[in-house]
Amino acid sequence: QMQLQESGPGLVRPSETLSLTCSVSGGSLLSYYWSWVRQPAGKGLEFIGRIHASGSTNYNSSLNGRVTMSVDTSKKQFSLKLTSVTAADTAVYYCARGSDWFNPWGQGTLVTVSS
Amino acid sequence: EIVMTQSPGTLSVSPGERATLSCRASQSVGGNLAWYQQKPGQAPRLLIYAASTRATGIPARFSGSGSGTQFTLTISSLQSEDFAVYYCQQYNNWPLAFGGGTKVEIK
Repeated sequence: QMQLQESGPGLVRPSETLSLTCSVSGGSLLSYYWSWVRQPAGKGLEFIGRIHASGSTNYNSSLNGRVTMSVDTSKKQFSLKLTSVTAADTAVYYCARGSDWFNPWGQGTLVTVSS
Repeated sequence: EIVMTQSPGTLSVSPGERATLSCRASQSVGGNLAWYQQKPGQAPRLLIYAASTRATGIPARFSGSGSGTQFTLTISSLQSEDFAVYYCQQYNNWPLAFGGGTKVEIK
């Protein structure tokens, strides 16, 4: 069965760039959309954006143009970059398959923005 | 931007009882709605998509209904493993949006 695994630094300094990678195993990355969702501690879920295996992207405008996503089909990975982070970007970040509903999800990775 | 509102915020239910969770969209999303279950420390798990279609492996005690702006998730007979937070999510309009969640707790 398909599995997703997020990786990246758990601590990012304010004003710097958050960078995460999601590795896909147990299935093909091709022909699908891949998404990022985040969840601040004790709060709800926020959709960040999605990328197709072809490289086509759509981002949530609530992130004010700070988001960039990319995909590497040869490595079966896709990535998220969020620039100019602040404490408000502290959250568990999930990767997931899908462009409409999301299934499956990675286990999530906590990213803390702090100096 | 569509706002998704879930009610109640917390639902206290005894094991074996029925739980009914509501989700309201600020404008019509047609049938483009999904439901997820999230347990503490875990990622969300897809339960329902297209308002009423159960995802693979989801027990029949979970059912979804509704269209337009009003949706319901029903758990027919709560099992111990069903106590969790449930989120609805619309995918009819950009940006995709989640509700604030309903926590189902043991009464």
